[in-house]
Amino acid sequence: AQSVTQLDSQVPVFEEAPVELRCNYSSSVSVYLFWYVQYPNQGLQLLLKYLSGSTLVESINGFEAEFNKSQTSFHLRKPSVHISDTAEYFCAVMTTGSYQLTFGKGTKLSVIP
Amino acid sequence: DTAVSQTPKYLVTQMGNDKSIKCEQNLGHDTMYWYKQDSKKFLKIMFSYNNKELIINETVPNRFSPKSPDKAHLNLHINSLELGDSAVYFCASSQAAGSNQPQHFGDGTRLSIL
Repeated sequence: AQSVTQLDSQVPVFEEAPVELRCNYSSSVSVYLFWYVQYPNQGLQLLLKYLSGSTLVESINGFEAEFNKSQTSFHLRKPSVHISDTAEYFCAVMTTGSYQLTFGKGTKLSVIP
Repeated sequence: DTAVSQTPKYLVTQMGNDKSIKCEQNLGHDTMYWYKQDSKKFLKIMFSYNNKELIINETVPNRFSPKSPDKAHLNLHINSLELGDSAVYFCASSQAAGSNQPQHFGDGTRLSIL
């Protein structure tokens, strides 16, 4: 069975500072990896995904994540955060051929003006 | 043109009542899901249907019963509501079970039990 660990439950960061949200996964088979964002009182929106190919994936709003197979990690980064990035971020993993998406417990990113 | 829509958005009711939450997706997806998000924001899969067939049925009380009249709809019926059922319930859909395509989520139904 797969599992996901998000090491930080809360990350406060000042506006325009860089941020990294950490995600590690555990699986005995190949995986697909996802980051979802949840703004207050809303559903989850896909931020970016790693399926195959280049290990560095980017979103349209400046986030990027790098798949590191040896460290079983998929950390999310942004070089300069905005107030509007304040949200809960969820890392998720799906093993190939599985029906099931397993989520981490989420990291609350709070951007301080 | 909402992709995954849930109704109602808020549901406040008393212990012991029976309630339903409806979900519809207009993405043409084959697979639909129900998740429960607790007060600590932890998301847990409850059920999944692929082309109206149940494929995931996690450890959920029998009081919860999903129903899929067609592949665009997955409703959740809850009998004899308990205080611990208070949570946000999310419906989601994806192109096909076992594919690598991401899941699309509705905005959630906030269930509060008095």
